Amino acid sequence: NAGVTQTPKFRILKIGQSMTLQCTQDMNHNYMYWYRQDPGMGLKLIYYSVGAGITDKGEVPNGYNVSRSTTEDFPLRLELAAPSQTSVYFCASSYQNTGNEQYFGPGTRLTVT
Amino acid sequence: DQQVKQNSPSLSVQEGRISILNCDYTNSMFDYFLWYKKYPAEGPTFLISISSIKDKNEDGRFTVFLNKSAKHLSLHIVPSQPGDSAVYFCAASPGGSNYKLTFGKGTLLTVNP
Repeated sequence: NAGVTQTPKFRILKIGQSMTLQCTQDMNHNYMYWYRQDPGMGLKLIYYSVGAGITDKGEVPNGYNVSRSTTEDFPLRLELAAPSQTSVYFCASSYQNTGNEQYFGPGTRLTVT
Repeated sequence: DQQVKQNSPSLSVQEGRISILNCDYTNSMFDYFLWYKKYPAEGPTFLISISSIKDKNEDGRFTVFLNKSAKHLSLHIVPSQPGDSAVYFCAASPGGSNYKLTFGKGTLLTVNP
């Protein structure tokens, strides 16, 4: 199993550009999550999904969109990049019955200038 | 307002000694608590958890203690090893089927040989 994979690993965006962060898991997990981690801070939940076709907002959803068309994939879309979105983004997944024990991807480091 | 607080940004211990990492929380609705470990340039990995119905959970060298009345938990690592050097995040959730984790800012543990 590859677990949770994220692409790209690094990206630099100009203000106003858009991009999609990809996340795929091969563990057949129902639940998937997107977090961001700013320097010196803990992880903050952006969006999450309890299954294909179902998504919901987390703590910091503004400026982001998600979709969940398959069990495996949970892409995160930034439509109009802003410097405040400079962060490290982590995707995670979990089983329905042990949802707190989340498996994380390696992260995407995004810089918006 | 931080609901999960890790007041020590860093901790340094000698190999073979005990490491104690602390975490405080303010939300009485939290029912499930976890510790995640993170190495640089990697995603967090689940380490150990505890439900609010317990006051202690042990897994090998790692033990988590929960004091609900004080809204405090701690992670003990005995004996500490250089490979334990990492950032440790405390996280909490309301439990049940609500898997939205709230993370602390993390504590950087350095174990010196």
